[in-house]
Amino acid sequence: AQSVAQPEDQVNVAEGNPLTVKCTYSVSGNPYLFWYVQYPNRGLQFLLKYITGDNLVKGSYGFEAEFNKSQTSFHLKKPSALVSDSALYFCAVRDRGTGRRALTFGSGTRLQVQP
Amino acid sequence: DAMVIQNPRYQVTQFGKPVTLSCSQTLNHNVMYWYQQKSSQAPKLLFHYYDKDFNNEADTPDNFQSRRPNTSFCFLDIRSPGLGDAAMYLCATSRDGAPQYFGAGTRLSVL
Repeated sequence: AQSVAQPEDQVNVAEGNPLTVKCTYSVSGNPYLFWYVQYPNRGLQFLLKYITGDNLVKGSYGFEAEFNKSQTSFHLKKPSALVSDSALYFCAVRDRGTGRRALTFGSGTRLQVQP
Repeated sequence: DAMVIQNPRYQVTQFGKPVTLSCSQTLNHNVMYWYQQKSSQAPKLLFHYYDKDFNNEADTPDNFQSRRPNTSFCFLDIRSPGLGDAAMYLCATSRDGAPQYFGAGTRLSVL
């Protein structure tokens, strides 16, 4: 079975500081990994994905994430946070080995960027 | 331009009164998904269509049904909504391993 853990319900960071939102995963095979952002009363917006290749993935709005196979992690990062980055962030995984197409989501992390 | 469109954005129904939510896509993706999301929790997959093949999740209640009359459209039918079915319903599409593209969601209230 595939699963995702986001250990922090909320992350607080000052504007201009770097931010990290943590994600670890568990799959039986090799993973596809994704990050999505959700603003209030909106659907999920795709930020970035890891499929294969370079472990450092760059995505939308200046976000990036690093795939670490030994630690089964895929933490989301941004060098300098903006107030407008405040939102709910979801990590998701799909196990390439099972044939299961749908994503399994983590419980979400609320990012609060203070001015 | 929106690529996955959900209508309506807000739906109010009465306890036990059937309701249908709709989703359309302009991406020509072969896979369409329905997720239920409660109170900023993780989206929970209800079912998905791979082309015309319907795939139900094991724990999706029988009260939830879906139809996909063509590639572009997919419907979520709730036969007898209960108070516990009040949630945001998200439609998503993909082409196999590609990222899933989500609609803005329909927020369902049950009175």
